[in-house]
Amino acid sequence: DTEVTQTPKHLVMGMTNKKSLKCEQHMGHRAMYWYKQKAKKPPELMFVYSYEKLSINESVPSRFSPECPNSSLLNLHLHALQPEDSALYLCASSSTFGFDSPLHFGNGTRLTVT
Amino acid sequence: AQRVTQPEKLLSVFKGAPVELKCNYSYSGSPELFWYVQYSRQRLQLLLRHISRESIKGFTADLNKGETSFHLKKPFAQEEDSAMYYCALSGPSGAGSYQLTFGKGTKLSVIP
Repeated sequence: DTEVTQTPKHLVMGMTNKKSLKCEQHMGHRAMYWYKQKAKKPPELMFVYSYEKLSINESVPSRFSPECPNSSLLNLHLHALQPEDSALYLCASSSTFGFDSPLHFGNGTRLTVT
Repeated sequence: AQRVTQPEKLLSVFKGAPVELKCNYSYSGSPELFWYVQYSRQRLQLLLRHISRESIKGFTADLNKGETSFHLKKPFAQEEDSAMYYCALSGPSGAGSYQLTFGKGTKLSVIP
């Protein structure tokens, strides 16, 4: 399996809802990432997990809460989001957390906050 | 601070014409440079990286440290090359961490 799988593909949620995005990879990669991508913009890094430990949090608001239950799974818990949080959320993985490790991206979850 | 500049938001070329997508970077050390591509309704994926010096789908990119550039080239454009292309720079940012910076992207449109 050489893919990063994200579920759901689409999510619509209200500002008071709690939801979770899921990401899975079975390539044995030890680094996993959450990116946010607005329309016609490059991906923006949110979080990095390396060996299941949070390595980078790019000053993301606490309404986004990442979780890495094991080396294959990555979750992003969402609570009390704002309409401006509507975006494509991308999960990625790499063999290691290193500057020469290319990223493998999932197809993303298209999130709409109403 | 590291920075990646892709000066063209949109590039339109005719099928069979040469393509050059420009990428300039700013970084004080020795960076690792990548080109990522996003075809319509497909995931963002790695196209090539400078360290491997290979040609993927007919595309090549040479790192020019003097001009701090990593332009993506293909001698004859195909319709299936139409996509969004992102240049990305990766380099150590201290304390065992590193930073990956994407350019703003260039949308390539190949006209039949």
